[in-house]
Amino acid sequence: ILNVEQSPQSLHVQEGDSTNFTCSFPSSNFYALHWYRWETAKSPEALFVMTLNGDEKKKGRISATLNTKEGYSYLYIKGSQPEDSATYLCAYTTGGGNKLTFGTGTQLKVEL
Amino acid sequence: EPEVTQTPSHQVTQMGQEVILRCVPISNHLYFYWYRQILGQKVEFLVSFYNNEISEKSEIFDDQFSVERPDGSNFTLKIRSTKLEDSAMYFCASSAIVRDTEAFFGQGTRLTVV
Repeated sequence: ILNVEQSPQSLHVQEGDSTNFTCSFPSSNFYALHWYRWETAKSPEALFVMTLNGDEKKKGRISATLNTKEGYSYLYIKGSQPEDSATYLCAYTTGGGNKLTFGTGTQLKVEL
Repeated sequence: EPEVTQTPSHQVTQMGQEVILRCVPISNHLYFYWYRQILGQKVEFLVSFYNNEISEKSEIFDDQFSVERPDGSNFTLKIRSTKLEDSAMYFCASSAIVRDTEAFFGQGTRLTVV
């Protein structure tokens, strides 16, 4: 993996469904993995920052895991609600600096 | 809750004109950034700024771009002679000094070059 890749590109789920997305990133020189939630016309909102292999973080119904050895992170949403509809971005930083390298995002639409 | 603010929200400019995009980062943050997203593409890094100087820049950030922190609160991005391909959403962000903390983003300035 040379770039950050996210899948799926878009997702439609029903209210109450649980869902998950994948972020793949280069594992060499890895420093931190960030997840952002971005609603249209708003600022991207930071969800999680993870640095250690095996890290798991949780915020309400949303959780994330990190595997730095194989270069992937999963974001899980339990019991999706319409207000979860947004684009979910992952980004990583390397040991060399602070810049975030982003994936293309996963666009989630939660329908009633 | 503290937030990063950007002005204007939308700017239309003619090709070849200079534009200045303005940002007010969170007051106790020390790292400042500009990112942009061309429609349909990834959010991409432009430049980071720390201690009144550029700490890192991408290959996109050529001589047409400059950044400045003219006072204790504002952080600006200047594009000297805009091109059509500069049309994008430009995001300002700021973070505390520790590298594994989150970066806070503004709502963005939609720049349209015509």
